[in-house]
Amino acid sequence: QVQLQESGPGLVKPSQTLSLTCTVSGGSINSGTSYWSWIRQPAGKGLEWIGRISSSGSANYNPSLKSRVTISLETSKSQFSLRLTSVTAADTAVYYCARDGGALDYWGQGTLVTVSS
Amino acid sequence: DIVMTQSPDSLAVSLGERATINCKSSQSVLYSSNNKNYLAWYQHKPGQPPKLLIYWASTREYGVPDRFSGSGSGTDFTLTISSLQAEDVAVYYCQQYYSSPLYTFGQGTKLEIK
Repeated sequence: QVQLQESGPGLVKPSQTLSLTCTVSGGSINSGTSYWSWIRQPAGKGLEWIGRISSSGSANYNPSLKSRVTISLETSKSQFSLRLTSVTAADTAVYYCARDGGALDYWGQGTLVTVSS
Repeated sequence: DIVMTQSPDSLAVSLGERATINCKSSQSVLYSSNNKNYLAWYQHKPGQPPKLLIYWASTREYGVPDRFSGSGSGTDFTLTISSLQAEDVAVYYCQQYYSSPLYTFGQGTKLEIK
């Protein structure tokens, strides 16, 4: 059973960089056709796909966030990470990582990140 | 971008009755080369991550009760719960993965007990 767990600071100051890590267990992060995504949900709003990375390290991003987002892969640690720069209050959300086969079949529990001074 | 629009925004159904949620995409999510609709449905309960229910528009994820079913093709899709149980109270989302790697979700439908 694949499990994912997000980790990182729960509070980030405006204009700073949000950094989260997703640790994958119970399955290989670099198996052939694996993709790994980040999704977020602001309070009271719907789900927004942020971006994904392939097992080979190729990343794709939501155009609405592309200028501020970087997703990277560290296969030796079975982790992938999210960096979002120049955050504002609008980036306050629950952030999820998920295994991505098009449909997102395994999700982490989510972590709340609040942007506030 | 493919815009996903769900209806209704909220729904109240009596226990044991049928619940139907609709999802419409702004363009077809049917890939002609394999005749698959790139459409998934999720159930989202408070404090939990979204749970995949249906993929390829009508394939039930392993372990999902058979009271959940998905139908539709092209631009119009439906999630049906044949006999509502108390544990089905949640927000339901559709998601297209046709325009991979840019995925988009519907705005969500909140399902409650009448």
